[in-house]
Amino acid sequence: DQQVKQNSPSLSVQEGRISILNCDYTNSMFDYFLWYKKYPAEGPTFLISISSIKDKNEDGRFTVFLNKSAKHLSLHIVPSQPGDSAVYFCAASGGGTNSGYALNFGKGTSLLVTP
Amino acid sequence: DGGITQSPKYLFRKEGQNVTLSCEQNLNHDAMYWYRQDPGQGLRLIYYSQIVNDFQKGDIAEGYSVSREKKESFPLTVTSAQKNPTAFYLCASSIGPGAYGANVLTFGAGSRLTVL
Repeated sequence: DQQVKQNSPSLSVQEGRISILNCDYTNSMFDYFLWYKKYPAEGPTFLISISSIKDKNEDGRFTVFLNKSAKHLSLHIVPSQPGDSAVYFCAASGGGTNSGYALNFGKGTSLLVTP
Repeated sequence: DGGITQSPKYLFRKEGQNVTLSCEQNLNHDAMYWYRQDPGQGLRLIYYSQIVNDFQKGDIAEGYSVSREKKESFPLTVTSAQKNPTAFYLCASSIGPGAYGANVLTFGAGSRLTVL
């Protein structure tokens, strides 16, 4: 049962434009959300996170928005660069319930930024 | 330079053989995790450990075993009971529960296991 869903397997964006990656979750116990970036045959690297007490967190070109009532979060990348091309995973944790701080991951969205 | 080291990076196994994947971290993290990634799939939790000498099953623990005898090490054994072991295996660690940043997992580079 997939508790974190990324419904777009892929996204193509032109360099300099905005990339918007979406994520939905079903478990209302989740209280911390993260985005990871992953290249093939490598481990994921942490990008940005947001606590459920906030609705926005910004770090340079990356902004994450959280809509708790809709159980939806999104990652905005502005401006997009070719080096941003990778698979992006949305992840959530329940703050220590059941599986400690283990993260639940979505299936990922493959972002391609074209020149 | 702190990080997580997984070895081997590539491993081939014959059906019916057990194989052990190594994971070592020098980040002084209390918690460690094993995930599995299959093509087109997200990362699925196999086992996790929050402290030494203690570990818990994740969502897909069947056919796997782990040990946590040292804080730095969390090896994963893929046994012959695992029906579809070909996958990319990722080890991760995090600061202990309650600490700032406990939710952020740091990942190793992964080990790709192929069953022939």
